[in-house]
Amino acid sequence: ETGVTQTPRHLVMGMTNKKSLKCEQHLGHNAMYWYKQSAKKPLELMFVYNFKEQTENNSVPSRFSPECPNSSHLFLHLHTLQPEDSALYLCASSQDFQGARNEQYFGPGTRLTVT
Amino acid sequence: QQPVQSPQAVILREGEDAVINCSSSKALYSVHWYRQKHGEAPVFLMILLKGGEQKGHEKISASFNEKKQQSSLYLTASQLSYSGTYFCGTEGLSDRKLIWGLGTSLAVNP
Repeated sequence: ETGVTQTPRHLVMGMTNKKSLKCEQHLGHNAMYWYKQSAKKPLELMFVYNFKEQTENNSVPSRFSPECPNSSHLFLHLHTLQPEDSALYLCASSQDFQGARNEQYFGPGTRLTVT
Repeated sequence: QQPVQSPQAVILREGEDAVINCSSSKALYSVHWYRQKHGEAPVFLMILLKGGEQKGHEKISASFNEKKQQSSLYLTASQLSYSGTYFCGTEGLSDRKLIWGLGTSLAVNP
């Protein structure tokens, strides 16, 4: 596998379920990101990890819980979600998380539907 | 505050040129440009750093005017493969946070 992979590609879950999204990057990058993409809204940065340490949490509700066990893997744990959380969740990675080396490579995304 | 992109949408015939603009209300360190095709992940096009540089790759180029806090993406002699949504992301000079615009939808027809 090359680039950034995400699983699952599609997920339907009830409001009381617990599920996890997985992201893996094969690029040797140091920074990883979770984004939420909804129709007619800008890409919304959720979390940033740099060298496995969380550097940003953009006021994301606690029902979203990230985990970064190493520089290559990133998880997003989901529980008691709301219908408005339905969206495309994108993972990305970059060499550095700021400046000239912040060229981000995106995974294909997980299309999440909360029923 | 998110950058403002204009136009929101543009339709071209193959071979025509287009300009997409990205404006910010705050001082910028860098501007990033990405293209996303329907159902696919965003793909990196280029990063421009403060200093008023211009970059180009084949028929797609961009400029960054740091004094005006603006960047423009130039697509010349458009091809069908240029269709998609173009996003700019701006990195603030002080907070160094990357914030994204709403995107510009570009359709290139034969």
